[in-house]
Amino acid sequence: EAQVTQNPRYLITVTGKKLTVTCSQNMNHEYMSWYRQDPGLGLRQIYYSMNVEVTDKGDVPEGYKVSRKEKRNFPLILESPSPNQTSLYFCASSPRTGGIYEQYFGPGTRLTVT
Amino acid sequence: ILNVEQSPQSLHVQEGDSTNFTCSFPSSNFYALHWYRWETAKSPEALFVMTLNGDEKKKGRISATLNTKEGYSYLYIKGSQPEDSATYLCASLNTGGFKTIFGAGTRLFVKA
Repeated sequence: EAQVTQNPRYLITVTGKKLTVTCSQNMNHEYMSWYRQDPGLGLRQIYYSMNVEVTDKGDVPEGYKVSRKEKRNFPLILESPSPNQTSLYFCASSPRTGGIYEQYFGPGTRLTVT
Repeated sequence: ILNVEQSPQSLHVQEGDSTNFTCSFPSSNFYALHWYRWETAKSPEALFVMTLNGDEKKKGRISATLNTKEGYSYLYIKGSQPEDSATYLCASLNTGGFKTIFGAGTRLFVKA
């Protein structure tokens, strides 16, 4: 089944404890992206990747890192999480960069930082 | 940062009503406009991808139009059903189609 998977789905952690949220797609998509969703603000793009080893900042990249060493995986790293990073996170992928293709979203990861 | 605005923020309609919502986006450097449907506890799913001024797309009872010169898109739902209850998101992509800017969404409630 063609899909985008994220792990973990739920995570409660403490301030400063490094964590990684994994994202994987099995559709051979070139474009991948991370978003966070906060009430009243809609989805905000954190980072995106046009292909392997090519990443760039979205609108809210502070406090996050990403890597794209393989086409299928695009992990989101929080080196030192803070309470303001408590949010619902979505990973998405698209066949090509260019906007003419829809994005396919993962199931979401709900992160709470205390 | 581009500003993508959606209105109304929420909408309550009766089953059978037809409704529409608006997505406004900066027309400069426009590349594509996406509409997504997001049900509670699920992931957003694409409805339409639109790129050309004057584009009209339709999927069942749902349709959308695009005006890139003035920077707006309308989503129409004909004969709303309770299962149409969801948040409808629009997203604008600028030149190159790299960055995606979402609006805050329109939350639709359809009462049986």
